[in-house]
Amino acid sequence: QLVLTQSPSASASLGASVKLTCTLSSGHSTYAIAWHQQQPEKGPRFLMKLNTDGRHTKGDGIPDRFSGSSSGTERYLTISSLQSEDEADYYCQTWGTDIWVFGGGTKLTVL
Amino acid sequence: EVQLLESGGGLVQPGGSLRLSCAASESTFTNHVMSWVRQAPGKGLEWVSLISSGGADTYYADSVRGRFTISRDNSKNTLYLQMNSLRAEDTAVYYCASLGPTWETFNYWGQGTLVTVSS
Repeated sequence: QLVLTQSPSASASLGASVKLTCTLSSGHSTYAIAWHQQQPEKGPRFLMKLNTDGRHTKGDGIPDRFSGSSSGTERYLTISSLQSEDEADYYCQTWGTDIWVFGGGTKLTVL
Repeated sequence: EVQLLESGGGLVQPGGSLRLSCAASESTFTNHVMSWVRQAPGKGLEWVSLISSGGADTYYADSVRGRFTISRDNSKNTLYLQMNSLRAEDTAVYYCASLGPTWETFNYWGQGTLVTVSS
């Protein structure tokens, strides 16, 4: 079964960096994913597609502070030089045969 | 950039029906695979349904299959979701989203419309 697992919460200080993790279920280590950001009271926003080899393709207007990387079944989103507007929920998402799946989301608090 | 605007949400009783609409800003709507994703209050995102660019192929999550129907009118740049036999657990903000040509990632999102199922 295709499942994505995310930690419920994370925090980091203004100006610092943070690395969020999305873990693919066993047997799905070759799957690419996408990262989406949802700021409070807003619709989600596509950040990037992240491949198994760490190459990523960003959405429109996504700043260089956002980057992705991969290792085994883990997919990462790194946000550097944290700003207050980065405080949001972050969801990973993947796809299989006739199914599209989201992780449970990570709530990022910027201290 | 594709802009998406959902409408049609509201309060409906259990067992009732509702039709959501999503208007797209671009004439290239015809080329986009489209989807509905929902978010229950305080919860995460859940994929609901997806339709191919021409409308011939449709896909549903197990939680809504047989009750919801996705459709589109490319002449009106509009996506629809007909929701029947609604349950309390269908209460959520419903987002429409467009996918890239590979059918993989949700590249553009609307702002959502709230559906509340309650007596």
